[in-house]
Amino acid sequence: ETGVTQTPRHLVMGMTNKKSLKCEQHLGHNAMYWYKQSAKKPLELMFVYNFKEQTENNSVPSRFSPECPNSSHLFLHLHTLQPEDSALYLCASSQGSASGAKNIQYFGAGTRLSVL
Amino acid sequence: RKEVEQDPGPFNVPEGATVAFNCTYSNSASQSFFWYRQDCRKEPKLLMSVYSSGNEDGRFTAQLNRASQYISLLIRDSKLSDSATYLCVVGGGSYIPTFGRGTSLIVHP
Repeated sequence: ETGVTQTPRHLVMGMTNKKSLKCEQHLGHNAMYWYKQSAKKPLELMFVYNFKEQTENNSVPSRFSPECPNSSHLFLHLHTLQPEDSALYLCASSQGSASGAKNIQYFGAGTRLSVL
Repeated sequence: RKEVEQDPGPFNVPEGATVAFNCTYSNSASQSFFWYRQDCRKEPKLLMSVYSSGNEDGRFTAQLNRASQYISLLIRDSKLSDSATYLCVVGGGSYIPTFGRGTSLIVHP
């Protein structure tokens, strides 16, 4: 266990559904991240929160909406997704800007999302 | 030019072989370097940090060459369980690290 928990582990949704992914970290970290990983493709950084403030939005479509109510929790709200959004969605946490460049990320097990 | 580049492989080696991966980075101001391992359909996990003087952890040796802007990972006496994707991670001026696309290693009997 890395101390980063993601739920659900698997999700199947239709294109008209609304769902949310949840991430919780128990490591006392200040930064949290959402990544997307499609089959046989590299990690794509989506969003970054540092001390609850969004510091990075990597040109992500508005059908993905992040929320970070506190440093321990991160959500990704999904609506009107497309089949090409099917992927593994990974959450990570780290010390963030407080650690400077020596910023090791710890990942959750991911949510495997299928959009039908 | 991509910020962090890796040969995607796959590297296909027999058990007991020694295998090495390189990773190049473009930001000369980069200050921190890591190797992560990702098993199939699992999350990436930190394998080891890379220090300026090079460092070793059992069968794994990591090296940094700042002049040529690359890091390397050497795996000795490969095991079947070493089969995975090895991700090069570089921390630059920002606290947000940059991941390479990974190098796939397959160790066969």
